[in-house]
Amino acid sequence: NAGVTQTPKFQVLKTGQSMTLQCAQDMNHEYMSWYRQDPGMGLRLIHYSVGAGITDQGEVPNGYNVSRSTTEDFPLRLLSAAPSQTSVYFCASSYEGHRYGYTFGSGTRLTVV
Amino acid sequence: GNSVTQMEGPVTLSEEAFLTINCTYTATGYPSLFWYVQYPGEGLQLLLKATKADDKGSNKGFEATYRKETTSFHLEKGSVQVSDSAVYFCALNGGGSNYKLTFGKGTLLTVNP
Repeated sequence: NAGVTQTPKFQVLKTGQSMTLQCAQDMNHEYMSWYRQDPGMGLRLIHYSVGAGITDQGEVPNGYNVSRSTTEDFPLRLLSAAPSQTSVYFCASSYEGHRYGYTFGSGTRLTVV
Repeated sequence: GNSVTQMEGPVTLSEEAFLTINCTYTATGYPSLFWYVQYPGEGLQLLLKATKADDKGSNKGFEATYRKETTSFHLEKGSVQVSDSAVYFCALNGGGSNYKLTFGKGTLLTVNP
């Protein structure tokens, strides 16, 4: 089925470890983004990309890294995990977001201990 | 910058009751407005959208009208069901080449039988 696929669904990390959250879409969307969801905070934008080879920072980029080598994939890297990065992470993609809205993945629940 | 303010929850209703979730926004230009729904343990799904003033978005019995004069996009449903229990997010996109989504903090709705 077409959509946004995120892996893994759950992950537990130790402080200081690094990992990559994967995100892939098969809808040929130009725009992809990463959000984190925390209780009482809504969703906050971490990084986004408007096309292959182009990325930019969102509202809360510190401690995260991204790259966009293909249209389909937009991985999010945690460089050195901290307990403050415990959250649920969502990837989203869009063709023309202001017209058609955004398609979200099912999320990755990350716990840093 | 852009911002979205939605009524704080939780909101608890009995089945068949009328639902209103208030949402107001601050934005320059002509944003597009969205309501997303998140069912327990799932990602966000686009519920409805409106891309210009006086547009009415509707889906699954939910409606919202884009009111530029009051900068509002209130979500309504005439008769809620237990299956409508979820978190509802109001969001805006600045339009044009601005692909970013700005979210409200979400409103938890619980519908009791």
